[in-house]
Amino acid sequence: SQTIHQWPATLVQPVGSPLSLECTVEGTSNPNLYWYRQAAGRGLQLLFYSVGIGQISSEVPQNLSASRPQDRQFILSSKKLLLSDSGFYLCAWSVLGQGRNGYTFGSGTRLTVV
Amino acid sequence: LAKTTQPISMDSYEGQEVNITCSHNNIATNDYITWYQQFPSQGPRFIIQGYKTKVTNEVASLFIPADRKSSTLSLPRVSLSDTAVYYCLVGDMEYSSASKIIFGSGTRLSIRP
Repeated sequence: SQTIHQWPATLVQPVGSPLSLECTVEGTSNPNLYWYRQAAGRGLQLLFYSVGIGQISSEVPQNLSASRPQDRQFILSSKKLLLSDSGFYLCAWSVLGQGRNGYTFGSGTRLTVV
Repeated sequence: LAKTTQPISMDSYEGQEVNITCSHNNIATNDYITWYQQFPSQGPRFIIQGYKTKVTNEVASLFIPADRKSSTLSLPRVSLSDTAVYYCLVGDMEYSSASKIIFGSGTRLSIRP
């Protein structure tokens, strides 16, 4: 079966510290992968998406970066966190050309920058 | 871009049918309409998807008029556990459209006993 793993579930980090959130997908190959951020009480903002290894598209200029070192691994990073980076981060995948079922989301990471 | 417009919030009672309407005037020929449900501190979950007319599954029904400029998610006999945020998305899930699929603020549905 196809599953998506995202960790950690919660994270509290001081301002200026680095960040690394990891997302892995199982049971599928060549997925399109996405990172979203959701501020409290708000909708989802697309941050990055990737259609293949090493291929990253950024949607919003920010303090974050993404990498895809392997087909089913997507990493969200920051060198120095800002208070405004706090939020709920969600990884998602969709498989190119396969049906129209859209996104499957991970369980999310609640990041609080203090 | 196929932008969507939904009510910010809705209230209903257990056992009632709830209809949430989404407007998407700029929907493109290849676009599908997809609804997601999100509980607090969880990722959105796929509910239903359609292209035209009516689609029904074990959870909900989706009504799409002929012009496809709007859609209505219908939840039959809601319960307290249906309290969540519901998002309407319009787009083609092929990779070239990844950046064009926008999550709006959704509709916050509150169900009361």
